[in-house]
Amino acid sequence: AQSVTQLDSQVPVFEEAPVELRCNYSSSVSVYLFWYVQYPNQGLQLLLKYLSGSTLVKGINGFEAEFNKSQTSFHLRKPSVHISDTAEYFCAVRGDFGNEKLTFGTGTRLTIIP
Amino acid sequence: ETGVTQTPRHLVMGMTNKKSLKCEQHLGHNAMYWYKQSAKKPLELMFVYNFKEQTENNSVPSRFSPECPNSSHLFLHLHTLQPEDSALYLCASSQGEYSYNEQFFGPGTRLTVL
Repeated sequence: AQSVTQLDSQVPVFEEAPVELRCNYSSSVSVYLFWYVQYPNQGLQLLLKYLSGSTLVKGINGFEAEFNKSQTSFHLRKPSVHISDTAEYFCAVRGDFGNEKLTFGTGTRLTIIP
Repeated sequence: ETGVTQTPRHLVMGMTNKKSLKCEQHLGHNAMYWYKQSAKKPLELMFVYNFKEQTENNSVPSRFSPECPNSSHLFLHLHTLQPEDSALYLCASSQGEYSYNEQFFGPGTRLTVL
């Protein structure tokens, strides 16, 4: 079975400052990793995903994430945040061979301070 | 209409009522999902349909009854719910069950059970 841990439930950041949202996973098999964003009163939208290849993945809205197999992490970063980045961010993992369903973390609420 | 739509967006019901949630996807996908999103908890996968056939029931109580008449429509029939069933119910679709590609989410139905 796989699991996802998002240690920070809330992260306040000043506008134009950098941000890192942490995600750690556990899985005994190959993993595929995703970050989703949920804006207020909306469904989830895919930010980026890691399937294979380069461990640095770039997504929409200037976000990027780095897959670190040794540390079982997939942290999300943005060098300069905007007010419009205020949202909830979910990390998710899926495995292979019988572990294909998406397992989500509890989410991190990112609040941008003007 | 584009993407994944859900109706109603908000629903308040008593414990003895019967109601239905509707989801429609306009993306030509063949897999559809119901998720439950409760505060401070990870998204919980409830049901999966692939080409109209239910492929997963994640130990969901029988007071929740899904229906998938075709690949574009998904319903969740509700009866004799409990207050702890109050949550945001999200529908999603993808091209292929548990695809490596993203799941597209609807905006959700906010359900309150009195």
